[in-house]
Amino acid sequence: RKEVEQDPGPFNVPEGATVAFNCTYSNSASQSFFWYRQDCRKEPKLLMSVYSSGNEDGRFTAQLNRASQYISLLIRDSKLSDSATYLCAVETGGSYIPTFGRGTSLIVHP
Amino acid sequence: GAVVSQHPSRVICKSGTSVKIECRSLDFQATTMFWYRQFPKQSLMLMATSNEGSKATYEQGVEKDKFLINHASLTLSTLTVTSAHPEDSSFYICSARVGGRLADYGYTFGSGTRLTVV
Repeated sequence: RKEVEQDPGPFNVPEGATVAFNCTYSNSASQSFFWYRQDCRKEPKLLMSVYSSGNEDGRFTAQLNRASQYISLLIRDSKLSDSATYLCAVETGGSYIPTFGRGTSLIVHP
Repeated sequence: GAVVSQHPSRVICKSGTSVKIECRSLDFQATTMFWYRQFPKQSLMLMATSNEGSKATYEQGVEKDKFLINHASLTLSTLTVTSAHPEDSSFYICSARVGGRLADYGYTFGSGTRLTVV
């Protein structure tokens, strides 16, 4: 089993839709979690950290479920500009060595 | 915010030559820098972790004599692809973790280097 798994998609949704992605991790000692956005042929950029209590930034909501060992990203009112690949990153213990998922591709169409 | 500057952004080289990629942290000190390789539609694959003032730690399967990493200062890490071959063509990205008061920044990435070996 891979350490960090994501459904590669693509998720093809219309503008205005709500879409959610999950990312599962295998190491129960994982402590820090992040969501990144990566546009085609560009570097990943931090979208948001994921806190135990969950966090929200505008249309984006991230949550952590430790019992089931996954994090989620919810995007409301999808925009065309949300089309990208969304990577999750998991950091375990004090090593500060992140493991990235393969990414989930989102395509928002008119 | 924390910025990592990576150069060059794109390089085309002949098979057998060496290519050096630089990553600089511009407004913070990066004691640790991560080097990744990403093939099309694939995940970021960690190649090695470079530590300022000490030897890099390479992931299993990554040839340390082929991918030379030097972390000369708290703001500069370099990756040299030696005797490059077409199969080394990929997108190489560096990353540093930003901690302290910028902890929410997580990992900040360089803009990546697209290497094409012909």
